Amino acid sequence: QVQLQESGPGLVKPSGTLSLTCAVSGASISSGWWTWVRQPPGKGLEWVGEIYHSGSTNYNSSLKSRVTVSVDKSKTQFSLNLTSVTAADTAVYYCARGVQNWGQGTLVTVSS
Amino acid sequence: DIQMTQSPSTLSASVGDRVTITCRASQSISSWLAWYQQKPGQAPKLLIYKASSLESGVPSRFSGSGSGTEFTLTISSLQPDDFATYYCQQYNSLWTFGQGTKVEIK
Repeated sequence: QVQLQESGPGLVKPSGTLSLTCAVSGASISSGWWTWVRQPPGKGLEWVGEIYHSGSTNYNSSLKSRVTVSVDKSKTQFSLNLTSVTAADTAVYYCARGVQNWGQGTLVTVSS
Repeated sequence: DIQMTQSPSTLSASVGDRVTITCRASQSISSWLAWYQQKPGQAPKLLIYKASSLESGVPSRFSGSGSGTEFTLTISSLQPDDFATYYCQQYNSLWTFGQGTKVEIK
């Protein structure tokens, strides 16, 4: 059974960097695409970016200059870094493996 | 980028009603479309993948159809547990989500 669990700070200061990790169990991180999605409070779902096990990445064009997704095969996890955050980046962040496996999400608030 | 247009944005229905939600892609996505159900405070739950394949454990009252640019999600007989927000998502080229459809009690 595939399980994904997001972790990271729940509060980030404006202009700071949002860093999240997704721990993977029940699946090999050495195959497939690994994805981040976010959802601002009361709003819809927004795809953030993805990484292939080989290291290839794709990012949402609206975030491209600020976002980095990386994979750590030794720790069976992948990560999201979002720089220069503002209040507009406040959201629940989900990690996912394909369409079928999602984490439960973690709320990140950008506030001083 | 592929845009997904979902309608309606809100739908009022009664228990037992047949409900249909539509999703349109800005270009052909073949059958690379998923439907999710989301309740407040919960992660999206996959209902349908590849446009018409029912995810394991999802009740058979949910069905999906379509290909190319036009897709529908149908709930054959709405149940109390089905009042939620539904999203379509294309995964033909990166990912894009529809705006969501909130199914409310009439």
